[in-house]
Amino acid sequence: SYELTQPPSVSVSPGQTASITCSGDKLGDKYACWYQQKPGQSPMLVIYQDDKRPSGIPERFSGSNSGNIATLTISGTQAMDEADYYCQAWDDSTAVFGGGTKLTVL
Amino acid sequence: QVQLQESGPGLVKPSQTLSLTCAVSGDSINSHSNYWTWIRQPAGKGLEWIGRVHTSGSTSYNPSLKSRVTMSSDTSKNQLSLKLTSVTAADTAVYYCARVEGANGWFYFDYWGQGILVTVSS
Repeated sequence: SYELTQPPSVSVSPGQTASITCSGDKLGDKYACWYQQKPGQSPMLVIYQDDKRPSGIPERFSGSNSGNIATLTISGTQAMDEADYYCQAWDDSTAVFGGGTKLTVL
Repeated sequence: QVQLQESGPGLVKPSQTLSLTCAVSGDSINSHSNYWTWIRQPAGKGLEWIGRVHTSGSTSYNPSLKSRVTMSSDTSKNQLSLKLTSVTAADTAVYYCARVEGANGWFYFDYWGQGILVTVSS
């Protein structure tokens, strides 16, 4: 079965750039999306179709996908961005999530 | 504003069937992609896709759950349903329903319910 791998944790200082990776076999041939989940809340879509932001998502969130790695980049990270982030892609008709990355802003 | 609300028993006995409903408001389930999905999350763990249902009745399920899952939609009630048979403690999780948007190859989940905690215990 298809697998997506994320680092368990990433730390970033406020105002700096955070990069969260998601790796999978030929992931660049698929479309990746990213979800943000804060404690006690439902996940929220922040990036879809590799690099598109839904309405209402700040411009500091961006995405890319090439080769075997998709990357979520948060520029000028703010304290409110501290959350778990999950990548997701489709393998045929099956949705696959990465294991999630806890982003700590300190 | 699209809203999804999961409902159902919060406690299910082992070996029994988990049954949940997702009521959709602010949108017709027959609009957009016509696909809707269920996702679950055990406490402290990551997201697991359970499957998706099209309002035509077609379904796709996670291979790991396929033998135990049934999803359906009711356009007259604008709601979705999930049934998971022969549950065990490993099925204890928060269950989410979500709207599927996009197109084949780049579907994504843009609206999520608040989730419902289902505990499997005798």
